[in-house]
Amino acid sequence: GQQLNQSPQSMFIQEGEDVSMNCTSSSIFNTWLWYKQDPGEGPVLLIALYKAGELTSNGRLTAQFGITRKDSFLNISASIPSDVGIYFCAGASGNTGKLIFGQGTTLQVKP
Amino acid sequence: ETGVTQTPRHLVMGMTNKKSLKCEQHLGHNAMYWYKQSAKKPLELMFVYSLEERVENNSVPSRFSPECPNSSHLFLHLHTLQPEDSALYLCASSLWTSGPSYEQYFGPGTRLTVT
Repeated sequence: GQQLNQSPQSMFIQEGEDVSMNCTSSSIFNTWLWYKQDPGEGPVLLIALYKAGELTSNGRLTAQFGITRKDSFLNISASIPSDVGIYFCAGASGNTGKLIFGQGTTLQVKP
Repeated sequence: ETGVTQTPRHLVMGMTNKKSLKCEQHLGHNAMYWYKQSAKKPLELMFVYSLEERVENNSVPSRFSPECPNSSHLFLHLHTLQPEDSALYLCASSLWTSGPSYEQYFGPGTRLTVT
């Protein structure tokens, strides 16, 4: 079945640093989304991307829909302690409502 | 209440028990989803309901039985579960007009432990 490879698996960075993570697939997706999950909570939608090449920002977060439609990237600028959590990419194709999720990137920020 | 709520937040049940998970969305959406989140595995879609009709069953064992009585409520009925069914069960909702909006909004989840 379809799978997403998300990397890196974890990151430990200093407050103020920029962060990059990415997601790749062997299949083409029509929609890419990025979510953040805090401990004990459900994932929260950060950014949705609908078009190849699209670059979308949400505050300090910027995500891109890869030109090949097989990858997506998330950047966080000037990280702060509350950025700590697990970031998931998700992709969708077709019309079934089915989202495929990556394994997640765990981000830790040292004050 | 706002957003997507789930009850209970934590549940411990024996393998012979029957229990139900409840999800309620206050976002005016008309599609609802059940996901399973196990440790070290990606979120797995279990069921999709659009306008109270099931449109996707992702090869889920019959010991999990969903019910969607209206567009705001979703249940997951559980019976004779196995220890490997222990996981965080997440509910989500979205709009669905001519097709699904993939902007799905999640509840906080029910942490299920099967003993």
